[in-house]
Amino acid sequence: KNQVEQSPQSLIILEGKNCTLQCNYTVSPFSNLRWYKQDTGRGPVSLTIMTFSENTKSNGRYTATLDADTKQSSLHITASQLSDSASYICVVSDGGNDMRFGAGTRLTVKP
Amino acid sequence: DTAVSQTPKYLVTQMGNDKSIKCEQNLGHDTMYWYKQDSKKFLKIMFSYNNKELIINETGPNRFSPKSPDQAHLTLHIKSLELGDSAVYFCASSPEGESYGYTFGSGTRLTVV
Repeated sequence: KNQVEQSPQSLIILEGKNCTLQCNYTVSPFSNLRWYKQDTGRGPVSLTIMTFSENTKSNGRYTATLDADTKQSSLHITASQLSDSASYICVVSDGGNDMRFGAGTRLTVKP
Repeated sequence: DTAVSQTPKYLVTQMGNDKSIKCEQNLGHDTMYWYKQDSKKFLKIMFSYNNKELIINETGPNRFSPKSPDQAHLTLHIKSLELGDSAVYFCASSPEGESYGYTFGSGTRLTVV
């Protein structure tokens, strides 16, 4: 069983709308959690990174939240744009050299 | 001035062949990684090198052999390619012992026919 579960698997929204992606993890110990955006045919690009003591972090229209007690994180995208169409991957680190990746949420923004 | 660059971007080859994928980073990072992304988009770590020393090896078959001549370069050699090796392989780098600052390359799509 993967230690990082993301939902939904895919999501279609209209341009300008908001959306929220979910990430639940069981990785322990916990060091940090980051959200990546992966455009088709490209490598993942980091959007946000949060440690245990951080509850929320923003990067432009992207806002990530973290509840380390329930081991849940969310990525909220505000006023979506066509260029937001991509896969969003949740990655959790135990502080070592390895990281656990979720399978990602495929977001499609339609005009 | 690409931070982490991989070559080739695409690679199509026949079963049984031997191939290599190269990675270079100009970020001054001490640690480099190879990840495999399967058809379900899972990213799984294969190898990790820190200052030319292999520190993570999670690939079962010894058909896969990484080489790191210096901390800025990492190569993945694959022998006797199989159909199941078809995937996208990503190189990444990070500062030593730090899961912050991960930077990925753009990936190499390997297709074995």
